[in-house]
Amino acid sequence: GMPVEQNPPALSLYEGADSGLRCNFSTTMKSVQWFQQNHRGRLITLFYLAQGTKENGRLKSTFNSKERYSTLHIKDAQLEDSGTYFCAAEANTDKVVFGTGTRLQVSP
Amino acid sequence: GPKVLQIPSHQIIDMGQMVTLNCDPVSNHLYFYWYKQILGQQMEFLVNFYNGKVMEKSKLFKDQFSVERPDGSYFTLKIQPTALEDSAVYFCASSPDRGGQNTLYFGAGTRLSVL
Repeated sequence: GMPVEQNPPALSLYEGADSGLRCNFSTTMKSVQWFQQNHRGRLITLFYLAQGTKENGRLKSTFNSKERYSTLHIKDAQLEDSGTYFCAAEANTDKVVFGTGTRLQVSP
Repeated sequence: GPKVLQIPSHQIIDMGQMVTLNCDPVSNHLYFYWYKQILGQQMEFLVNFYNGKVMEKSKLFKDQFSVERPDGSYFTLKIQPTALEDSAVYFCASSPDRGGQNTLYFGAGTRLSVL
């Protein structure tokens, strides 16, 4: 199977809602990075984690290497959160593998 | 699914030499990107490219860097001359159109080792 499985592939939220994205890994990864793709297609780094949990404003990310997953939680979704989100995980072989992306649409 | 191919997967060169990293993007895609990841650090945006032109570049995209896609073939990143700090994995990506709702497709990366 895919080394990085990202879910859901698409997500629709109303403003103010909370939700989460998840990446599952088929093998042990040593770090994970979460991105938001901006309107020009450029990836903006949201989080880089080697372990544990980080928070930044309305966003929180957790990486559990042992359990082979990472999550990105969005709280109080805003219209500007709309876009595509990617996780990218670095294996112990130093190879980086990307998830397939989650398209988030936030509506009024 | 669609694939972005990067050639070679690993390149070793001496400092001061020129290197060209090749990317074969998805065939009908129009936007192209390079990202750089130093070992153990997060991936950083370098440049995006459309219709033969650089659209946006970061401060990591030094004067020694250049990109082109001659005759719709490979999308290339050239570094001339190389420096030790250029050692990293370089990822190419392409997308069919610009915009936050369009999926980027990434290559597997080229590991550049500058000695």
